[in-house]
Parts: sequence; structure tokens; C-alpha cells
Amino acid sequence: GENVEQHPSTLSVQEGDSAVIKCTYSDSASNYFPWYKQELGKGPQLIIDIRSNVGEKKDQRIAVTLNKTAKHFSLHITETQPEDSAVYFCAARDNTGGGNKLTFGTGTQLKVEL
Amino acid sequence: GAGVSQTPSNKVTEKGKYVELRCDPISGHTALYWYRQSLGQGPEFLIYFQGTGAADDSGLPNDRFFAVRPEGSVSTLKIQRTERGDSAVYLCASSLEGGMNTEAFFGQGTRLTVV
Repeated sequence: GENVEQHPSTLSVQEGDSAVIKCTYSDSASNYFPWYKQELGKGPQLIIDIRSNVGEKKDQRIAVTLNKTAKHFSLHITETQPEDSAVYFCAARDNTGGGNKLTFGTGTQLKVEL
Repeated sequence: GAGVSQTPSNKVTEKGKYVELRCDPISGHTALYWYRQSLGQGPEFLIYFQGTGAADDSGLPNDRFFAVRPEGSVSTLKIQRTERGDSAVYLCASSLEGGMNTEAFFGQGTRLTVV
């Protein structure tokens, strides 16, 4: 089955700096890679996703890159703000054969300091 | 509704008891998923419904866990003979369909504590 590894487990940045979170996956059949933000006591919130037919996607201060050859994808947050502080999860999904489950990384606790 | 709704938000039960957790998906979403999240971990897949049928239940840990979605909308996760190890946040998600171009949206979760 799919295995997703995520690094770092914690990340502290100064407000205005950039933050990068990296994930690797094991199953070459995976074709969809979402990123979720989870605040304390809340469910995961989808913030951006990328499909296997593109290498990069950007939405305002957030961007995601995908390297299918290396089975590696990353989340980039620029101009970080205190409200970006949360736990971020990467995930991978394999849609082949009717399967549809997401396999999540272990999360990154991002802290944006003033 | 506006989002995925889960009830109750918190549930405390005694070891050995039976519990039911409810999920109301986003209106019109045909795909529904249950995940379990332990403290400090990412969500782990339990079961996926496409319509009324369970398309993939490979994540259910054992036969004490069961889920239904009789009318293709609301789903109930049922746990029999609860154990302390079942304590976790149970998350429900839904998506418009189960195919390639579908994002999954999560509810706020039910925090289950077995004492």
C-alpha cells in the first residue's frame, strides 16, 4: 500500500518568511496530492491540491510542486502570517481500480512568530 | 448544508459499550469517507462509500467496526464493545463523486473517549 512521509514535523518561521514542507510517497500509481490545514479542535481543511498531470500549482501565497519521477511533492507558503500557524498534512491518493482513499503524512506543526 | 456535519462533537463512553457516530455529508456528494485520527498523527482511512454501498472497507481495524449509509446520504459509524484503544477523533469527509477530479471535504470530527 501507499506510504507517505512528511518533513519536518515542526517548523518555526518569522512572520513574512517562507515555509516549505516536503513529502514523499511510495506508490507510483498515486495521481492526486492534496494538502490540508488543521487548526486545533477542527477538521482538516483543503488548501491546495495537485494532480499528476502538472508539476506546479499556485494559489496566492500558497504553491505546490510535484516531481513524479522522484515521488516527491512540496508545499510552499510565502509571506507567512500568524494565522498560517496550524498543522499541515500532505496526502496521496490512488484512483486506479476504483480505489479512492487518501494516505496522509504525519503532519507538520507550523508556527509563525511575530 | 454548508459543510460536512458530524454529531456528536464529543462522546465519552465506558469500555465495552456500543457507540454510533453520525455524519451528514455535503448535499449532493455521492462519495463519503470515514477516517480516524489519533493524537499527533495524520488521519487514517477506515471506509469509503460510493452511494449506498461500501466500495472499500479495507481500513476497518476489526469486526467491531461497521458503517452504513442506507439512503446514500447520512452515514453512521458503529463501534461495538468499545476498547480504550478506540479513543481518537473520527473524521468524516465527502466529495462530489469518487473519481479523479474530486476534492474531499472534512467535517470537524467526533472526539471519542473510551474510559
